[in-house]
This record gives sequence, C-alpha cells and structure tokens, in this order.
Amino acid sequence: DIVMTQSPDSLAVSLGERATINCKSSQSVLYSSNNKNYLAWYQQKPGQPPTVLIYWASTRESGVPDRFSGSGSGTDFTLTISSLQAEDVAVYYCQQYYSTPPTFGPGTKVDLE
Amino acid sequence: EVQLLESGGGLLQPGGSLRLSCAASGFTFSSYSMSWVRQAPGKGLEWVSAMSGSGDKTFYADSVKGRFTISRDNSKNMLYLQVNSLRAEDTALYYCAKDHREDCSGTSCHLFDHWGQGTLVTVSS
Repeated sequence: DIVMTQSPDSLAVSLGERATINCKSSQSVLYSSNNKNYLAWYQQKPGQPPTVLIYWASTRESGVPDRFSGSGSGTDFTLTISSLQAEDVAVYYCQQYYSTPPTFGPGTKVDLE
Repeated sequence: EVQLLESGGGLLQPGGSLRLSCAASGFTFSSYSMSWVRQAPGKGLEWVSAMSGSGDKTFYADSVKGRFTISRDNSKNMLYLQVNSLRAEDTALYYCAKDHREDCSGTSCHLFDHWGQGTLVTVSS
C-alpha cells in the first residue's frame, strides 16, 4: 500500500495570510503513460463530509475558489491557500488514487491565528 | 444535483452484523464506481471498499476483507455494504462516495467528488 504523510499536523494562520500544507507519498503517484499525478486534496469542515478541492495534483474542482492551488509531482505535493479566509478553517487531507487501496494522509488542521 | 443518503447504522455488540445502504440520485448511477469510506471518531479517513459501475469488480481494504461485502442494485440506484463479524475498531462514520470519473473501473479510479453525510456504526459490548 502507498503510505501518505502530511506536514505539519496543524497550523494557525492569520486572516489573509498564506497557508501551506505538504504531502508525501511512499512511492511515486505519477503515471508515466499520461503524465498525470494521481493525487487529490480534500477539505473537511467540522461535522461535514469531505469535499474535493484539487485533483490530478493541480486541477481545481469546479466551484473551488482560486485561492486554493496544488503543486508537486512524483512523491512530493503541496496545497497552498494564498489568502486564508475564515471559512477555510478545516482539516485538509491528501489522497492518492494511483493504486488500490486508495490511501489518505493523516490530515492537517488549519485554524485562525 | 447529486445526492447520496446513507442509512442502516446503529449500535451493535462485537460479532454482530449490519447492512448499510446508500441511496443515490442526480446522476447515472450505473456509470460510476462507488465506494465506502469510514472515519473513526476524531480520526482520519479510511477507504473500505469499492464496486465498479456495472458491479463486475469489487475491491476491499485488507482490514475488512472476508467480513464486509459490497453490492449494488443499479435498477434502484442503491449501494450496500454488508458488515459482519464486527469489531470495536469498526466503530466509525461510514460514508458513501461517488467516483469522479464516468466508466472508470480499474484500480486507479478512486477519486471521490461527492460524499454522503454518513451513517454511524458503533460496536461496543
């Protein structure tokens, strides 16, 4: 199984400031045949199910604000919130869908400072 | 609008059984792989099982293989999870999740674009 790790475990950011979350996979999730990274980012607010923000490592889901961006390739990925808003307080998970079983990172909790 | 509504959770003793259901609407159900993903209280997300749109392929996490069985009824737009031989560590909120890509049935398909609200399974003596 591919093991996903995230850092930091939690971070507190001031309104309007940048938040950066890192995700690492135990093996590459880049499919050479189509040059796509099988990596997604989800946001989970308290008491709600997760929602997908980013897939293919950098493609924003329809309706997701452009302050959310994803980058990286192979085994190292980053989710950036360029200007944190109050509604962005949540836990963020990365997930690989390169192989079965799909696996999630442990999550990063983002709070307001 | 895509909607997924889980039901069937409850409080059970270790060794018990249950069938979870997920009613789907707002999309062509038979064209999409569906999964069950669970979340223990205060913990992260764990994928449990998936089934292809046609129902010809099933996938399970090692932690539930041999105890859980996924199925679907495309005529009723329903997804099911039969959970047997329950253990305390199966206590979790069980989500039904829809695959993002139509007609994806292989091992690289499990990207989830819609989730239900979940149904809670509690295993305790």
